[in-house]
Amino acid sequence: KAGVTQTPRYLIKTRGQQVTLSCSPISGHRSVSWYQQTPGQGLQFLFEYFSETQRNKGNFPGRFSGRQFSNSRSEMNVSTLELGDSALYLCASSGEVWVPGELFFGEGSRLTVL
Amino acid sequence: AQKVTQAQTEISVVEKEDVTLDCVYETRDTTYYLFWYKQPPSGELVFLIRRNSFDEQNEISGRYSWNFQKSTSSFNFTITASQVVDSAVYFCALSEGTTSGTYKYIFGTGTRLKVLA
Repeated sequence: KAGVTQTPRYLIKTRGQQVTLSCSPISGHRSVSWYQQTPGQGLQFLFEYFSETQRNKGNFPGRFSGRQFSNSRSEMNVSTLELGDSALYLCASSGEVWVPGELFFGEGSRLTVL
Repeated sequence: AQKVTQAQTEISVVEKEDVTLDCVYETRDTTYYLFWYKQPPSGELVFLIRRNSFDEQNEISGRYSWNFQKSTSSFNFTITASQVVDSAVYFCALSEGTTSGTYKYIFGTGTRLKVLA
């Protein structure tokens, strides 16, 4: 069974630009969530999608957005990048529907903002 | 408000020593779930255990054991006879219900464990 795939793995952007990250969940998983990981802050929850609907959202500014497609693949977008957006962005999928199950994580997309 | 505290930022032990990673949580819900994840140097987080709030039984899996105590809101993780391959960052997480009837996860800041040969 293929794992969670995130692309790109590494990217460098400059302030003010925007970026789109992609996540392909494990086949059959309909829940996809996104996290921002920075040193000292741990994993901060961004949002969760289930069957193309955003079910939950974390405390991030509106510059952070996401969507999920009918095949469960998900994208997240960050507009007007700031230096503080430099982080590892992790995507996780889950096969559970109504209870919090095991999250399967991708290797992440490491974003550097210059 | 929900919160997960992992007060130990970094721990170093010598191989074969036992080590306990602490996790303290805060929640107002009576139904919630607790997790531990391991993030090795390669970066991909790996699930270790899930516990729901109604199951306070301790769990042992090989060299790993977990102690869940609702009275102290703690869910501690012990590695017995540590090995170099245990070197990683370990995250404790809490999942509780939301107003939409679903759950979301709150992670602690992680504890970096270094096991020295």
